[in-house]
Amino acid sequence: AQSVTQPDIHITVSEGASLELRCNYSYGATPYLFWYVQSPGQGLQLLLKYFSGDTLVQGIKGFEAEFKRSQSSFNLRKPSVHWSDAAEYFCAVGARNTGFQKLVFGTGTRLLVSP
Amino acid sequence: DTAVSQTPKYLVTQMGNDKSIKCEQNLGHDTMYWYKQDSKKFLKIMFSYNNKELIINETVPNRFSPKSPDKAHLNLHINSLELGDSAVYFCASSPGSPASSYNEQFFGPGTRLTVL
Repeated sequence: AQSVTQPDIHITVSEGASLELRCNYSYGATPYLFWYVQSPGQGLQLLLKYFSGDTLVQGIKGFEAEFKRSQSSFNLRKPSVHWSDAAEYFCAVGARNTGFQKLVFGTGTRLLVSP
Repeated sequence: DTAVSQTPKYLVTQMGNDKSIKCEQNLGHDTMYWYKQDSKKFLKIMFSYNNKELIINETVPNRFSPKSPDKAHLNLHINSLELGDSAVYFCASSPGSPASSYNEQFFGPGTRLTVL
């Protein structure tokens, strides 16, 4: 069965510094991969997704992620973090071959931004 | 606004009560979902409906019963509420058929259920 691991529960980054959030997945076939962001008290918003093709995907709000099959990873990056980026970030994998769509989420990484 | 909406946003109730959470999407999507987010922020799918037909039913107690009166609505009814049901419940929707290819899911704002 597919699974997602986000090894960092909390990360604190200074405003203006670069960011990398780690995500590792377990899935037999080529996965569909997603990063969602959840601001306090809000629903989930899709930042970016990988289905196929170019392994470096660009998303909204200046985020990007790189799919590395050899490492089973899909890490999220941003070159310069803004205070408004403080939120919970979820990596998810979509099952492609089970017959029906199902998203499996990681446990999330809380990003704190210090001044 | 085109979106996935849920009501109520907050729900506080006593153990043993029956309650419903409503979800509506005006995106024209064919598939809708319910997720539960526990106190540790872990998100897990509960149900999925495609064109009013149940297609995913994870290991969820029978006290939870989804109802889809039409493809734009997926309501969640919970009987005999227990303390462990306290969580944030998210509704989501996605276009197309879930059996054909994977499509992006759009999430509602969530309903925070507190059982006392």
